[in-house]
Order: sequence, then C-alpha cells, then structure tokens
Amino acid sequence: DGGITQSPKYLFRKEGQNVTLSCEQNLNHDAMYWYRQDPGQGLRLIYYSQIVNDFQKGDIAEGYSVSREKKESFPLTVTSAQKNPTAFYLCASSFKTSGVYEQYFGPGTRLTVT
Amino acid sequence: AQSVTQLGSHVSVSEGALVLLRCNYSSSVPPYLFWYVQYPNQGLQLLLKYTSAATLVKGINGFEAEFKKSETSFHLTKPSAHMSDAAEYFCAVQTGANNLFFGTGTRLTVIP
Repeated sequence: DGGITQSPKYLFRKEGQNVTLSCEQNLNHDAMYWYRQDPGQGLRLIYYSQIVNDFQKGDIAEGYSVSREKKESFPLTVTSAQKNPTAFYLCASSFKTSGVYEQYFGPGTRLTVT
Repeated sequence: AQSVTQLGSHVSVSEGALVLLRCNYSSSVPPYLFWYVQYPNQGLQLLLKYTSAATLVKGINGFEAEFKKSETSFHLTKPSAHMSDAAEYFCAVQTGANNLFFGTGTRLTVIP
C-alpha cells in the first residue's frame, strides 16, 4: 500500500538530548513537509523540501534540522536548542494535480521531553 | 499573504442535525482552499478542495463546501451529522510557495 509512515508513534526523551523523527513515503512525491501541532494552534510549518538535497525553513525552524538525501525520506531532528519540543509532529508529502499541490499526511509522532 | 480564519474552536451538534463549520480566507490572488479532518492521535485526511473549477465542492463522507468570493468564505457543511463525524476539522489555503497555511481548527462534537 502506498502511503507515509512515521516512526515511532510515541517518543520520550530527556531534556538536552537530540532526537530524530523518521518520515518515509512510497508515493513518489517530490515535495515533503514537517509540521508541528500544539493544542489550539493548528499546524505550523517547520521545514519543507521540494526536491532531493534541497530544503527551506518554514515558520518555526529554530531548534530543528532536516535532511533530504533520498526522495522517499525526510527525517527531522529536534535539537536541544528547541525551547519547547513537546508536541505532535506531522510529516506530509505532496504532488501537483490540476495546478494544486495536494498534501497527504502521515499518522504523526507524539514527542514528550521531560 | 494568504491566510484563513476558522470561527469557533468548538462546535456541538445533535446526531442528525446540520453541521456547519466556518472558514474565511484572505488572499490577494484566487485561492486554492482545503478542508482536512483529524481524528484523535492521527494524521490529517483530505475532505475536499477548491481549485476554481466549481464553487460547490463535494467531498468524502457526505461533506461539501461552497466557495463564496463576495464573502471570502469557504464553509464546510453536512446535512446530517453522524457520531463518526466527531473530530477536529482544519481549513487551509495554499500559499504562494505552494505550502499550506492552516487555520487553528474546529473541534466537532456530535451529541447522541
């Protein structure tokens, strides 16, 4: 089945540790995205990548890093510099149809940092 | 810059009643608009999208939305609510960089 997988579903880390969230897609989509979701704030864009080996900062990139070495994979690292990392993280990929970029989402990773 | 505003962070309806979730947009160019649904601890699922082909857009699960340029609105409706419709709903607009700007969401509760 085609889709987007994120692992793990739940992740716990101690403050001061870096942590990497996995995102893989087999939809052959060129573009991939990372969002952060907090209660009452909707989704906010962290980073996006439109092609391999290229990515751009979104609205809240500070304290995060990404890589895009393969079309299928777009891992997100939450660094110790991120002041409030506890959140629900969503990965998405998109393709263009009828002039519109339609985004598809993975199931998410809930990160808790204590 | 494009943006969306969702009116009402919580909406409650009785089972079988009309569902109306409000979304207003701000855009300097003809917008592409989307509605997504999110069930607890899951990702987002696309319900429907407006791409200027037709002002009344039909989506999955019996939902539809009407684009009204004069009111800068894209409200989501369903004639008869079902218990399985209880979820959080997000309106979004495609930005100039081909990204999505999301509203803050509306949580729908369906009362039996």
